[in-house]
Amino acid sequence: DAGVTQSPTHLIKTRGQQVTLRCSPKSGHDTVSWYQQALGQGPQFIFQYYEEEERQRGNFPDRFSGHQFPNYSSELNVNALLLGDSALYLCASSRGAGSSTDTQYFGPGTRLTVL
Amino acid sequence: AQKVTQAQTEISVVEKEDVTLDCVYETRDTTYYLFWYKQPPSGELVFLIRRNSFDEQNEISGRYSWNFQKSTSSFNFTITASQVVDSAVYFCALTPEDKIIFGKGTRLHILP
Repeated sequence: DAGVTQSPTHLIKTRGQQVTLRCSPKSGHDTVSWYQQALGQGPQFIFQYYEEEERQRGNFPDRFSGHQFPNYSSELNVNALLLGDSALYLCASSRGAGSSTDTQYFGPGTRLTVL
Repeated sequence: AQKVTQAQTEISVVEKEDVTLDCVYETRDTTYYLFWYKQPPSGELVFLIRRNSFDEQNEISGRYSWNFQKSTSSFNFTITASQVVDSAVYFCALTPEDKIIFGKGTRLHILP
């Protein structure tokens, strides 16, 4: 039973560029959430997708956008990258109607460095 | 305000000692869930426990135990007879109705 997978593992970009991160949920899960974790901090909720729609959103600018596909996989897009976007980006999947109270299972993350 | 406070930034103990990680939360909601996650150096958050606000029973799972007290808004985590493999960052999280709030984490070092 495969867990949550994310790609790529590491990524280096320069300011102003755009980036796309990918996530495949755990088998049987239909909800995907994305988090940003800066060094030494706890994860910060970006948004959650269920039934191919954004259901909940944290306090992040519109530069952060996402998509969920019919197979429940998801992408996180960040436009106009800033140095402050450097972080570990975590994807989590859960089973349910997009509620934050469902147990979420996390992937290994994508380490994004913006130069 | 809705927040999670993990006052212990970093803890070091010698292997086989018991250690307790503190978590204090604030929420306006009457229905909420609390979680603990472990983040080893690999970076992946590992789910440990989920507890709803109506269930104040303490829970034990092997060497791990959790003490939930609504009266003090605390959800503390104890590792008994710690092992080097327990070294990691541990996060407490709160889910009121519309989002998940993580604490800043406690970095635990288990010294051999």
